[in-house]
Amino acid sequence: EPEVTQTPSHQVTQMGQEVILRCVPISNHLYFYWYRQILGQKVEFLVSFYNNEISEKSEIFDDQFSVERPDGSNFTLKIRSTKLEDSAMYFCASSEEGHANTDTQYFGPGTRLTVL
Amino acid sequence: GESVGLHLPTLSVQEGDNSIINCAYSNSASDYFIWYKQESGKGPQFIIDIRSNMDKRQGQRVTVLLNKTVKHLSLQIAATQPGDSAVYFCAEVMDSSYKLIFGSGTRLLVRP
Repeated sequence: EPEVTQTPSHQVTQMGQEVILRCVPISNHLYFYWYRQILGQKVEFLVSFYNNEISEKSEIFDDQFSVERPDGSNFTLKIRSTKLEDSAMYFCASSEEGHANTDTQYFGPGTRLTVL
Repeated sequence: GESVGLHLPTLSVQEGDNSIINCAYSNSASDYFIWYKQESGKGPQFIIDIRSNMDKRQGQRVTVLLNKTVKHLSLQIAATQPGDSAVYFCAEVMDSSYKLIFGSGTRLLVRP
């Protein structure tokens, strides 16, 4: 069964450093998402992406964050200057169609980001 | 405002019993609801969904009930098994939105 994959599984970085989290969505999916989950808290939406554009983003997704589809298979989340409060599990998801009330979003296993 | 919450943070059940996990939502504009299961170290896994024009939907061993009058959602798991042990999240979606709004989660523990 096709699945979303993410690398690395765990990333440790120093405060102020840039990190790039990588995702390979399910191959025939066209819509991509990033969510994050701070330890012990709920999963929070960051951004959705379609046709090389951001279609929706949350208040969390400020200028320090960016997303990119650099090729036909990868989808990345970049944090330019990490802060301690960016420490969280970051989940990538993908769906065939866009609006969340018409199609299921499938999640990857997550990347645990630890900012020291 | 937007909020989805859960009444019980932890639910412990005997193997073989039925489990009921509850969720309250506050946004009457939400028209689609999903239950996800999250096992330790893994991402959320889709279980079952329901649209606002329905009040019940059944899957394999799972049933979701929606009461729009009181803005309440529940997940029923029949004959709970050890493999059902996980954190369960409800999520809501508003019309034409791309994002899932997750609740805070309930941990289900299955006693052998």
